[in-house]
Amino acid sequence: SQQGEEDPQALSIQEGENATMNCSYKTSINNLQWYRQNSGRGLVHLILIRSNEREKHSGRLRVTLDTSKKSSSLLITASRAADTASYFCATALNSGNTPLVFGKGTRLSVIA
Amino acid sequence: DTGVSQDPRHKITKRGQNVTFRCDPISEHNRLYWYRQTLGQGPEFLTYFQNEAQLEKSRLLSDRFSAERPKGSFSTLEIQRTEQGDSAMYLCASGRENTGELFFGEGSRLTVL
Repeated sequence: SQQGEEDPQALSIQEGENATMNCSYKTSINNLQWYRQNSGRGLVHLILIRSNEREKHSGRLRVTLDTSKKSSSLLITASRAADTASYFCATALNSGNTPLVFGKGTRLSVIA
Repeated sequence: DTGVSQDPRHKITKRGQNVTFRCDPISEHNRLYWYRQTLGQGPEFLTYFQNEAQLEKSRLLSDRFSAERPKGSFSTLEIQRTEQGDSAMYLCASGRENTGELFFGEGSRLTVL
């Protein structure tokens, strides 16, 4: 079963705009991760945020985590056409002894 | 670090045939995972190994599916008597215990006719 649910399912923006994707989950977590997947390819890890962290940055990526609302957001600033991909959140339910559970993803299209 | 490699990348088979996928993880990683992904969905967990021990199997993994990781290195995922519903991308990932981050291969796409 999929614990995380991304919103929106699909997002289309112009190059240079910011893209925001949200993830909601159901149970307490140890950490939450975001992954990117280009069509027909494997997933690439973007960023990991632990349950005791509220915000994390990596280049043009900003991730927030609100454990009280069981939600996270991924912001991609100054988007590029190359950012076109599907983005998945994944939750780890404890210290690392259970597998990651992925959501259904947000399909992002960045139009040049 | 040569990354996670999977073979074959594509497999077309007829219903009822057996197929086997191979995954070579990053050599320093003691954990290896198999996921299945269908079109428009996120990856669904199938099973994972720590070294050579298979620690968890999903209910998705019917008795037609078997996975091994002899000697704690590469892993194989075999599907016996394939059905059309087995058509999917089979993804392998590896990682280190307790770091959380997974490194995925490019996947093996199975089409069952």
